[in-house]
Amino acid sequence: KQEVTQIPAALSVPEGENLVLNCSFTDSAIYNLQWFRQDPGKGLTSLLLIQSSQREQTSGRLNASLDKSSGRSTLYIAASQPGDSATYLCARIATVDSNYQLIWGAGTKLIIKP
Amino acid sequence: EAGVAQSPRYKIIEKRQSVAFWCNPISGHATLYWYQQILGQGPKLLIQFQNNGVVDDSQLPKDRFSAERLKGVDSTLKIQPAKLEDSAVYLCASLAAGQGAKTQYFGPGTRLLVL
Repeated sequence: KQEVTQIPAALSVPEGENLVLNCSFTDSAIYNLQWFRQDPGKGLTSLLLIQSSQREQTSGRLNASLDKSSGRSTLYIAASQPGDSATYLCARIATVDSNYQLIWGAGTKLIIKP
Repeated sequence: EAGVAQSPRYKIIEKRQSVAFWCNPISGHATLYWYQQILGQGPKLLIQFQNNGVVDDSQLPKDRFSAERLKGVDSTLKIQPAKLEDSAVYLCASLAAGQGAKTQYFGPGTRLLVL
């Protein structure tokens, strides 16, 4: 069974700290991996998509890395701000019978304290 | 470009009642997904449409859930009768056709509470 695990489930840090969110997956034959942000009462917003041929992607203060050999991805947030408070989910992109699907982790709830 | 629209945003019903959710995907997006997200969990795929055809409904509880996308554009998801464990956020997402790295675009979701 394909599984995606995110650790920790919740994280609270003071504003300004750099932090790392972790995502691990059981199937090493990964295609692509994607990080999303979810704000309360809202849908999911894509942050970064790492293709299987890539090792990392960067957008502003966010950097996502992908290590297929260890089955892990990390999301690095630099100089955290209260506006970064949200739930962060990673999803492995799979092709199931030629259908493009996402296999989700349960998310890490991040709170940035002012 | 307008995003994925969903309605209603919130719904409270009693168990054994029926409820319907509506989704309008981004114009031109051929693939539409319905997800169920229970509090503290990641989204669970319920059904995937390609145009107006179902390509995956393996996790849809077909005894109570149904979905359709008759004209290959907007879609409805229905629950009848609802159970307490159906309380969740129901997310709709759409995906453009074509090759290459793609991303799903999500609507704001419908939050369902079954009492």
